[in-house]
Amino acid sequence: TQLLEQSPQFLSIQEGENLTVYCNSSSVFSSLQWYRQEPGEGPVLLVTVVTGGEVKKLKRLTFQFGDARKDSSLHITAAQPGDTGLYLCAARLIQGAQKLVFGQGTRLTINP
Amino acid sequence: KAGVTQTPRYLIKTRGQQVTLSCSPISGHRSVSWYQQTPGQGLQFLFEYFSETQRNKGNFPGRFSGRQFSNSRSEMNVSTLELGDSALYLCASSLQGRGAGIFSTGEQYFGPGTRLTVT
Repeated sequence: TQLLEQSPQFLSIQEGENLTVYCNSSSVFSSLQWYRQEPGEGPVLLVTVVTGGEVKKLKRLTFQFGDARKDSSLHITAAQPGDTGLYLCAARLIQGAQKLVFGQGTRLTINP
Repeated sequence: KAGVTQTPRYLIKTRGQQVTLSCSPISGHRSVSWYQQTPGQGLQFLFEYFSETQRNKGNFPGRFSGRQFSNSRSEMNVSTLELGDSALYLCASSLQGRGAGIFSTGEQYFGPGTRLTVT
């Protein structure tokens, strides 16, 4: 079983639509990160959330950390073809620990 | 500032052989972590090095090993390769080290990976 469950695993939508990707767990995390990975490349860090209830915005992307620090969501407004990629959430169980636990990822395709 | 570099980018080996992958972290970063990425298992943590010491280890067999040099560069080695070792091997570097403090979030920055194919 996965410590971090991401949903949906696959999502294909039209340009201009909105979408939300979820990352859930039964464990409490000290921090959670979202990455985006393109084919043949390593994951690129998008954001880190630390405080329960925290909301961060990165242009059209909105990230939220659940109040209990067990879940997170990524919302994209007016999706663009350039948003296509594999979105990964990763969490750190213990403060200061380097080991990241990753979700299986959401493969997002934005069709022009 | 240059990013994390990994060499080689692509590698083809046969079963039973061994392989060494290299990672150069971002300048000033002292922590290096290694991950294996496969379509079936996703990203799995292999190990983490800091100041030439392995600080954390994932659930991989002893065929997987690594080391870190005094300049923070790291290598990982896989001996007696199996078909199931075919994967993208990712290295990530982090500024965080011992005593970084409880509020440090220790963001990790990934390299482009080494695509290993075992035939």
